[in-house]
Amino acid sequence: DQQVKQNSPSLSVQEGRISILNCDYTNSMFDYFLWYKKYPAEGPTFLISISSIKDKNEDGRFTVFLNKSAKHLSLHIVPSQPGDSAVYFCAAIRNNDMRFGAGTRLTVKP
Amino acid sequence: DGGITQSPKYLFRKEGQNVTLSCEQNLNHDAMYWYRQDPGQGLRLIYYSQIVNDFQKGDIAEGYSVSREKKESFPLTVTSAQKNPTAFYLCASRYLTGQGSAEAFFGQGTRLTVV
Repeated sequence: DQQVKQNSPSLSVQEGRISILNCDYTNSMFDYFLWYKKYPAEGPTFLISISSIKDKNEDGRFTVFLNKSAKHLSLHIVPSQPGDSAVYFCAAIRNNDMRFGAGTRLTVKP
Repeated sequence: DGGITQSPKYLFRKEGQNVTLSCEQNLNHDAMYWYRQDPGQGLRLIYYSQIVNDFQKGDIAEGYSVSREKKESFPLTVTSAQKNPTAFYLCASRYLTGQGSAEAFFGQGTRLTVV
């Protein structure tokens, strides 16, 4: 049973525009949600997190929005840069059990 | 330098053999994790541990075993019972929820190939 879902395998945006990556979850008991960026053959790199008691967290160009009623979170990257091209994973934590989505490959075109 | 280290980077195994992947961290984290990534797919949880001498199964624990004898170390053994072990394996560590930041730190991964 997949508890964390990223239904878009890929996303392509133009440099300077906004990238919006989406993630859905099924378990309303998750405590934290996180976003990671990953390159091939490397470990994921942490980007930003949000507690389940908040609905928005911002860090520079990255903003995460949490909609608990819809069990949905999104990562906004503004403005997008070619260096942002990578696979992005969302993760959810409940009682230290940490689950990941399948990932979305973001391509930012110059 | 604090961090999490996986070794080896590449590992080849003959069918029927057990192999052990190493994961060591000096971040003073209590929680440690093992994930498997197959080509074009996400990270699937194999096992995780919240404290020494205790661990919990993830979604795909069959054919794998772990131990947590020290806080710093969480080795993963891929046994001969694992039918399709060729994959990229990732280890992670983090503070327990409520004891520090939520983020997990990952090692650089071990690519295991069955030959």
